[in-house]
Amino acid sequence: DIQMTQSPSAMSASVGDRVTITCRASQGISNYLAWFQQKPGKVPKRLIYASSSLQSGVPSRFSGSGSGTEFTLTISSLQPEDFATYYCLQHHSYPHTFGPGTKLEIK
Amino acid sequence: QLQLVESGGGVVQPGGSLRVSCAASGFTFSSYGMHWVRQAPGKGLDWVAFIRYDGSNTYYAGSVKGRFTVSRDNFENTLYLQMNSLRAEDTAVYYCAKGSWFGESTDAFDIWGQGTMVTVSS
Repeated sequence: DIQMTQSPSAMSASVGDRVTITCRASQGISNYLAWFQQKPGKVPKRLIYASSSLQSGVPSRFSGSGSGTEFTLTISSLQPEDFATYYCLQHHSYPHTFGPGTKLEIK
Repeated sequence: QLQLVESGGGVVQPGGSLRVSCAASGFTFSSYGMHWVRQAPGKGLDWVAFIRYDGSNTYYAGSVKGRFTVSRDNFENTLYLQMNSLRAEDTAVYYCAKGSWFGESTDAFDIWGQGTMVTVSS
């Protein structure tokens, strides 16, 4: 099975900060990597698919990059509504696997 | 409007069975693979199962293989997850999520249902 790791597991940041979250796969997954945002009590929301394609309706301050085993999600200028937990997902091979999540909190 | 609506959650005793459903609307259900994902209280997301658009292939997480069965009815636009031999660790919100069009592609998991809670407890 492909293992996904995320770093950091948690972080605090301020409105306006630039934030980068990293996701690593234990083996190559091409660009079969998606990023999700989840707020407490809410359904996960897809932000990025195919590693770097922005979901329609998602603000352009979100961007994704990477291929193979290392991927990043960047938020260029944090907004108050961005404080949430972020998950990566590999869907290259079965079983699909999510990263453990990165909790982004307000500093 | 694309929509997925889960139902059938509830409380079940350890060792028991439960079937949850996911009703799809607003898209051609029979053209898309479908996934189940779960989230235990206070925990992260956990991929559970997948079924191809035509039901010809299914895949499972190791933790549920042999106990859970995913199926679909393309005439009723409904996805199912039959859960047998339930354990306390299966307690979670179960979400269905739309997969990719026909074959595998990078465009999947764009639409999720609101989830249905399954509690395994005596």
